[in-house]
Amino acid sequence: AQTVTQSQPEMSVQEAETVTLSCTYDTSESDYYLFWYKQPPSRQMILVIRQEAYKQQNATENRFSVNFQKAAKSFSLKISDSQLGDAAMYFCAYNFGNEKLTFGTGTRLTIIP
Amino acid sequence: DVKVTQSSRYLVKRTGEKVFLECVQDMDHENMFWYRQDPGLGLRLIYFSYDVKMKEKGDIPEGYSVSREKKERFSLILESASTNQTSMYLCASSFASGGPEKLFFGSGTQLSVL
Repeated sequence: AQTVTQSQPEMSVQEAETVTLSCTYDTSESDYYLFWYKQPPSRQMILVIRQEAYKQQNATENRFSVNFQKAAKSFSLKISDSQLGDAAMYFCAYNFGNEKLTFGTGTRLTIIP
Repeated sequence: DVKVTQSSRYLVKRTGEKVFLECVQDMDHENMFWYRQDPGLGLRLIYFSYDVKMKEKGDIPEGYSVSREKKERFSLILESASTNQTSMYLCASSFASGGPEKLFFGSGTQLSVL
C-alpha cells in the first residue's frame, strides 16, 4: 500500500523568510501525482501545488515551489517570503491515477512576526 | 467559486445515537468523498462515491455508511455512534476524469460523541 510520511509535525519560520516542509512517500508505481494541500484555521483545505511524476520540472505556484526527487521518493514544499497568511496545516498527498488521495499526517506551520 | 457545504460545524451526540452528516456541492461534481481527520493520523478516506447511488469503501469504512440519492448531496451515517468516532469529518468533491482532479473541501464537522 502507498504511504505518505511527513516527519515534521510542527515547523516555524520568521515572516519574510523561507521554509521547507518535507514529504516522503512509498510506491511501486512509476506514473503518479503528488499534491500539497493547505488547511488554514478556517479548516477548509485548499490545493497549493500539484506535481506529475512524469514531469522532471519542479512545479511552481508564485511563492510556493516543490523539490521533487523521484528516485528518492521525496516531495518537499518550499515557501518563499513567508507571510502571516501562510500559517496553516500542510498536507502532502499521493495519487496514482484514480480519484483517491492518500494523505500524510500533516505539518503545522507557524509564522513568527 | 465552487462551494462544498457541510451542514454542521460542530456536533455533539451521545453514544448509541444515529448520526447524519450532510454535504452538498454546487458544481455538478461526479465524485464525492468523506474523510476523517485526527491529530497525528492525517486524513483517512471513509467512503467515496463516483455517481448517484454508487459508493465505494475507503480505508476505514467500519462503523459508517453513506447515501447518495442526488448528485449534489452525499451523506455520512454513523448507525450507532461510539466515542472512538469523535473526530473532524471532511467532505470533498471533484470532477470525474479518471485521474486525480483537484479536490474541493468543505469546512469540516467537528463531531464529539459523549
